[in-house]
Amino acid sequence: DSGVTQTPKHLITATGQRVTLRCSPRSGDLSVYWYQQSLDQGLQFLIQYYNGEERAKGNILERFSAQQFPDLHSELNLSSLELGDSALYFCASSVEGSSYQETQYFGPGTRLLVL
Amino acid sequence: KNQVEQSPQSLIILEGKNCTLQCNYTVSPFSNLRWYKQDTGRGPVSLTIMTFSENTKSNGRYTATLDADTKQSSLHITASQLSDSASYICVVSAIYNQGGKLIFGQGTELSVKP
Repeated sequence: DSGVTQTPKHLITATGQRVTLRCSPRSGDLSVYWYQQSLDQGLQFLIQYYNGEERAKGNILERFSAQQFPDLHSELNLSSLELGDSALYFCASSVEGSSYQETQYFGPGTRLLVL
Repeated sequence: KNQVEQSPQSLIILEGKNCTLQCNYTVSPFSNLRWYKQDTGRGPVSLTIMTFSENTKSNGRYTATLDADTKQSSLHITASQLSDSASYICVVSAIYNQGGKLIFGQGTELSVKP
């Protein structure tokens, strides 16, 4: 158990809909990262937050947005969903925001299925 | 273009045997290289992190090596167990003035058979 929690575990929705994925980092970690993992692709970095502020952006679509709240939990919002958005979405956390130096601890993931 | 290439794509070995997974990268400027183990449907778990000055690092039956000159890394698994069946992902960090970036390999799918 990494100490990172994600809810829900599974999510089934229809195209065009909007969903919100939630992540609680490990106690004491200030930085949260979001990743997408499709069946035919490796892990794709989406976005990073550090202590409530956006720190780095990866391959995140404009239909996707995220935020980190004062209690450090984070939410990833996916809107106008398409079939291709079906994937595993992982959240990871680290103590500080130096993603290139620190170990990131990954949550169990949210499996999203868009029908 | 920063890239991380892993080989083989998949590997099947018998329980108790050793195996070696490869990772070649073209990431620059290099900061560190990590190996993660990802069980099916689970989040990745860090195995090792190595900076350019480290040649080898071990974590139990897992030993990672790094040759920063040739930009190659390997992950050696000794006396494999059924629980080693997983995807192994090589991740390389690039460092810039304004921060860093993680570049992920596609992973090697290892299957350990009894």
